[in-house]
Amino acid sequence: QVQLQESGPGLVKPSETLSLTCSVSGASINGYYWHWIRQSPGKGLEWIGFLSDTGTTNYNASIKNRVTISVDTSKKQFFLRLTSVTAADTAVYYCARGGRGVAAAPLEFWGQGTLVAVS
Amino acid sequence: SYVLTQTPSVSVAPGQTAIITCMGNSLSTKNVHWYQQKPGQAPVLVVYDDGVRPSGIPERFSGSNFGNTATLTISGVEAVDEADYYCHVWDSSDHSDHHIFGSGTQVTVL
Repeated sequence: QVQLQESGPGLVKPSETLSLTCSVSGASINGYYWHWIRQSPGKGLEWIGFLSDTGTTNYNASIKNRVTISVDTSKKQFFLRLTSVTAADTAVYYCARGGRGVAAAPLEFWGQGTLVAVS
Repeated sequence: SYVLTQTPSVSVAPGQTAIITCMGNSLSTKNVHWYQQKPGQAPVLVVYDDGVRPSGIPERFSGSNFGNTATLTISGVEAVDEADYYCHVWDSSDHSDHHIFGSGTQVTVL
């Protein structure tokens, strides 16, 4: 069974950098799309971006100047880095697995989410 | 940018049918996926590619996509179906390739 687990600081100061790790178990990290999604308190889901099976990235236009998604395949982990955070970045952050080589595929497996507060 | 619009809330009695809609320009040209999210939990994929159920999802969940509207139907609603539901597409138009979520629909079982 594929499992994803987010980890990282639960509190980040304004203007600093938010860094999260998603650890993957039960499946290869190679060949798939890996996504980050966030959900502000009481709000809907917001796609942050993905890392493709070929190593390319694609980010939400609203935050693309501040976000980086990267991977360490040897550790079966991928990462989110969001710079210059503000209170508006307070949210539950989810990592999720997309399709095998297909950008349009659904997000079948999700982590449990981790709350990051900016304060 | 592409926008998906959902009705904010739907109320349904147990055993009845819940219809959740997702509207977007030429939506039928895209594959629509649907997620269920209960309070404090991660979303769960309940329908993908317009109307395919993942393994383990009850048959009472079905989907369709015609014109500008995709629909998630829950037939014979049960109390456990009370949750928020989100539609989701991959938009590769307008020189930008983005994943888009709908605004979400809260389903209340009366």
